[in-house]
Amino acid sequence: QVQLQESGPGLVKPSGTLSLTCNVSGDSLTGYYWSWIRQPAGKGLEWIGRIYRTGDTNYNPSLKSRVAMSVDTSKNQFSLKLRSVTAADTAIYFCARDEFTGPDPDNWFGPWGQGILVTVSS
Amino acid sequence: QSVLTQPPSVSGAPGQRVTISCTGGSSNIGAAYDVHWYQQIPGTAPKLLISGNSNRPSGVPDRFSGSKSGTSASLAITGLQAEDEADYYCQSYDSYLSASVFGGGTKLTVL
Repeated sequence: QVQLQESGPGLVKPSGTLSLTCNVSGDSLTGYYWSWIRQPAGKGLEWIGRIYRTGDTNYNPSLKSRVAMSVDTSKNQFSLKLRSVTAADTAIYFCARDEFTGPDPDNWFGPWGQGILVTVSS
Repeated sequence: QSVLTQPPSVSGAPGQRVTISCTGGSSNIGAAYDVHWYQQIPGTAPKLLISGNSNRPSGVPDRFSGSKSGTSASLAITGLQAEDEADYYCQSYDSYLSASVFGGGTKLTVL
């Protein structure tokens, strides 16, 4: 059974870069897309973007200018970098397996990691 | 303001049936993109409940069912149980935004 676990700093300074890693266990990264999704406290979910084992990415246009994702198949993990963060980026960040197959954009997410709270504050 | 609109809250007594609506538009649900549903118990990660409008993943009780028509979708829960108390989110793809989008979430209270 595949399990996902997010890791990274829980506090990032304004204008800095948020960096998170998602470790995948119980299954190989290959064959699936993998996504990052975030949830501000008490609010709804926002899809950030996805990555494939080849490094192919799709980003939410609303965040595209600040987002970069990467994948390390040897470690079975993938990563998120979000630049120039502000308080509005404070949220719980989840990683999830993405059932996107392309070119049909229909997709769903599951399973999910437990999430990691990242606070942007000086 | 979410692209997909859900009621903020619904409630029902144990054993009753409740439905949660998810209303979109011509660039998402109305464009024939699938709708998926997630259950999020407070303090935990969302869990896939329904995929592809009406498909239940293994392990999801058949008390949960999904449907879609036109620009809207619905999640129905029958035989309501205390453990069903959670937040529920719908999700689809929006071609105008070129992104996967979620509803604002609905809090289900079991009375």
